[in-house]
Amino acid sequence: GAVVSQHPSWVICKSGTSVKIECRSLDFQATTMFWYRQFPKQSLMLMATSNEGSKATYEQGVEKDKFLINHASLTLSTLTVTSAHPEDSSFYICSARWGGRQTQYFGPGTRLLVL
Amino acid sequence: GNSVTQMEGPVTLSEEAFLTINCTYTATGYPSLFWYVQYPGEGLQLLLKATKADDKGSNKGFEATYRKETTSFHLEKGSVQVSDSAVYFCALSDGNNFNKFYFGSGTKLNVKP
Repeated sequence: GAVVSQHPSWVICKSGTSVKIECRSLDFQATTMFWYRQFPKQSLMLMATSNEGSKATYEQGVEKDKFLINHASLTLSTLTVTSAHPEDSSFYICSARWGGRQTQYFGPGTRLLVL
Repeated sequence: GNSVTQMEGPVTLSEEAFLTINCTYTATGYPSLFWYVQYPGEGLQLLLKATKADDKGSNKGFEATYRKETTSFHLEKGSVQVSDSAVYFCALSDGNNFNKFYFGSGTKLNVKP
């Protein structure tokens, strides 16, 4: 149980385009989803927290107009990287939890390469 | 504030050796503590957790005990296998703010046959 999927697993795009990444909880209802960014050989950096049906809460230094997060249902959250640039190339990982539980379950990640 | 400090890697061991990866934390509330494992090119998988002082989390031969007096949550395994090669992350979840996880920097483990 507690499976989280991400799509796509890999995406290559041209600079200036927008990219949407989906995060789904497959066997539970995720009241809260999180988006992280991981640079090579580094730890995870929390970008934002999203609760179903409400606006995402962004961490300090994360541009909310660049990284659009939508959590429209209890099983789906999307991260859209708008007008992507090479410096946005990274490994993006989502996680989800339900109710008051503290454990987060992570997706397999999406590797974004902006040319 | 909240933070997690892990021993720097990489850690290189021979198969069947004993493993310890140190993790210490600072927290303002009553955190839960976690170990996650990341295999190459993949997301994080929950390895084990402990929710209160003196709890021991265990899974797949790995163990960690929540030590409040030393603010530690060291990961141990008695006999590692090549398949244990991965990056291990220690994390805490702030008891006062369920939303946030604080991750350590990760420790890469290489196990040689």
